[in-house]
Amino acid sequence: GAGVSQSPSNKVTEKGKDVELRCDPISGHTALYWYRQSLGQGLEFLIYFQGNSAPDKSGLPSDRFSAERTGGSVSTLTIQRTQQEDSAVYLCASSSYGRGRGTKPYEQYFGPGTRLTVT
Amino acid sequence: GENVEQHPSTLSVQEGDSAVIKCTYSDSASNYFPWYKQELGKRPQLIIDIRSNVGEKKDQRIAVTLNKTAKHFSLHITETQPEDSAVYFCAAGNAGNMLTFGGGTRLMVKP
Repeated sequence: GAGVSQSPSNKVTEKGKDVELRCDPISGHTALYWYRQSLGQGLEFLIYFQGNSAPDKSGLPSDRFSAERTGGSVSTLTIQRTQQEDSAVYLCASSSYGRGRGTKPYEQYFGPGTRLTVT
Repeated sequence: GENVEQHPSTLSVQEGDSAVIKCTYSDSASNYFPWYKQELGKRPQLIIDIRSNVGEKKDQRIAVTLNKTAKHFSLHITETQPEDSAVYFCAAGNAGNMLTFGGGTRLMVKP
């Protein structure tokens, strides 16, 4: 089946502009995660959605960052007033408790990422 | 919160040799420890994971060991091949919940 998809694959924006990054999780996956990966670095947790529960926003670096998940499926990560230090690859992942077709329970499946460059 | 340390940051081995990557974690409540492989320009992909109720798990040339008392776990790759060259990330957390990742290990396998 289809994996996690993200759009756009690349985004170049000017400092101070707002950007929206989109994630389509695997169908049936109840959990959705956003991570940030700076060049040559590890994965930094940003936010986690699980079903209809309130999201865990503990990883968001500032109030310029926010995320929504509509209808328990698609998620949008918004960065307002972008700064150069926001430049990174933003990765989305999804997981299930066993309901995603052909996927292993609890395993986080990653999307291809959105490379954000703030000039 | 959880804190995961990973060593070494880079590792170079000769083809056919073994490679070992080590991680420590801080939160004794963590019960799920996956390892991801990320090839250049690609997304991370799970290669093996272990739950806290077992001490070792093996899948062909890859094995993971877990010491819950000491709060550390390790990835072992035997008979390394050039295609094993990638960045490897360990992670710790609770199954179905957010993960805390280590800083990554760049493994280079020289033919």
